[in-house]
Amino acid sequence: GENVEQHPSTLSVQEGDSAVIKCTYSDSASNYFPWYKQELGKRPQLIIDIRSNVGEKKDQRIAVTLNKTAKHFSLHITETQPEDSAVYFCAVPSGYALNFGKGTSLLVTP
Amino acid sequence: GAVVSQHPSWVICKSGTSVKIECRSLDFQATTMFWYRQFPKQSLMLMATSNEGSKATYEQGVEKDKFLINHASLTLSTLTVTSAHPEDSSFYICSVPSGGASTDTQYFGPGTRLTVL
Repeated sequence: GENVEQHPSTLSVQEGDSAVIKCTYSDSASNYFPWYKQELGKRPQLIIDIRSNVGEKKDQRIAVTLNKTAKHFSLHITETQPEDSAVYFCAVPSGYALNFGKGTSLLVTP
Repeated sequence: GAVVSQHPSWVICKSGTSVKIECRSLDFQATTMFWYRQFPKQSLMLMATSNEGSKATYEQGVEKDKFLINHASLTLSTLTVTSAHPEDSSFYICSVPSGGASTDTQYFGPGTRLTVL
């Protein structure tokens, strides 16, 4: 199946700084790249996604960039706030399901 | 987005018993639903695909006789963990795709926390 690698596994930033999480994938035919935020004990929540026909998408403080040639996509969070602290997962399609990265635990310290 | 519910939200059972978890799509019909499992501090792993009107398809390493899936209607899929053991303790989450393409958004249920004593 599709192999997806996510880095870093943990990330600590100060409030107001930016955070970047990167995922690489193996299947060049992949065409959908979502990012999920999961708080402790809760369901993953879709925060942003991008489809392969664009290279970047932005929603307020969150952006995703896609490099199809290099087969990687990244989540960018600017002006981080303590409530951004959570585990973030990238995913790529596996059939009609999703194959998730191992997750990044983001801690934003005041 | 779609609303997906799960019941129960948590369950504690004794080793050897069976537990049924329900996943409902509340506002649209779904011929396909997915079941994931998440162990503490790990990622979500796809267990199986629930297909309305046909047998579920299981991922490699998932025992189909232990994790029984029934897609009873276009809005309900159930996962039964049979003869549960402590190693089955996990967070079970279902998801419903919004359409029939791999680029469609997936909507997740709130999850069921299973603890087997």
